[in-house]
Amino acid sequence: DVKVTQSSRYLVKRTGEKVFLECVQDMDHENMFWYRQDPGLGLRLIYFSYDVKMKEKGDIPEGYSVSREKKERFSLILESASTNQTSMYLCASTRGQGGHRELFFGEGSRLTVL
Amino acid sequence: AQSVTQLDSHVSVSEGTPVLLRCNYSSSYSPSLFWYVQHPNKGLQLLLKYTSAATLVKGINGFEAEFKKSETSFHLTKPSAHMSDAAEYFCVVSDRTGRRALTFGSGTRLQVQP
Repeated sequence: DVKVTQSSRYLVKRTGEKVFLECVQDMDHENMFWYRQDPGLGLRLIYFSYDVKMKEKGDIPEGYSVSREKKERFSLILESASTNQTSMYLCASTRGQGGHRELFFGEGSRLTVL
Repeated sequence: AQSVTQLDSHVSVSEGTPVLLRCNYSSSYSPSLFWYVQHPNKGLQLLLKYTSAATLVKGINGFEAEFKKSETSFHLTKPSAHMSDAAEYFCVVSDRTGRRALTFGSGTRLQVQP
């Protein structure tokens, strides 16, 4: 089975802190994604990556950055956390190209910024 | 451009009665369409997908969906609800390139009453 692991399920941080959210997948997928999930808004794409050291902005990249130094690992970074970044963050991965592919999701990281 | 609208934010049914979760989409291309399910404190899991083959698509756990191009709809149904179906359901559209991943609806929370 494909496994996407988000190491931190629950985090509480203070405004201005730097936050790292880590995601690891074990199926050699080329493509990895970070989404933000908020009630009534569905999932919104923050950043995605199609290859090592490659990244592209999604729909809401402001206030976030990413790092992909190894194929299996995709990190989301909040340089200076703010209260409006309190949310559920979901990592996903998939193989290959094309709109028909299934995304495999981690269980999420719920971040609270005080 | 593409978009997806889930017409109900909450649906409540009794156990053993039919389930209908409604989804309308808009796409400039011939789309791929998906339904994902999210149980509490879990990541999303693929229920079913449409990729231009049969218009009636069967998924896991007895769910199915019908692609109706003339109505731009992709409603999710199940003949008989089970308590374990209580979850949040997301309708998702993708263009055929899939380059920018997927566009998610805002979600429908399904409650199943005993």
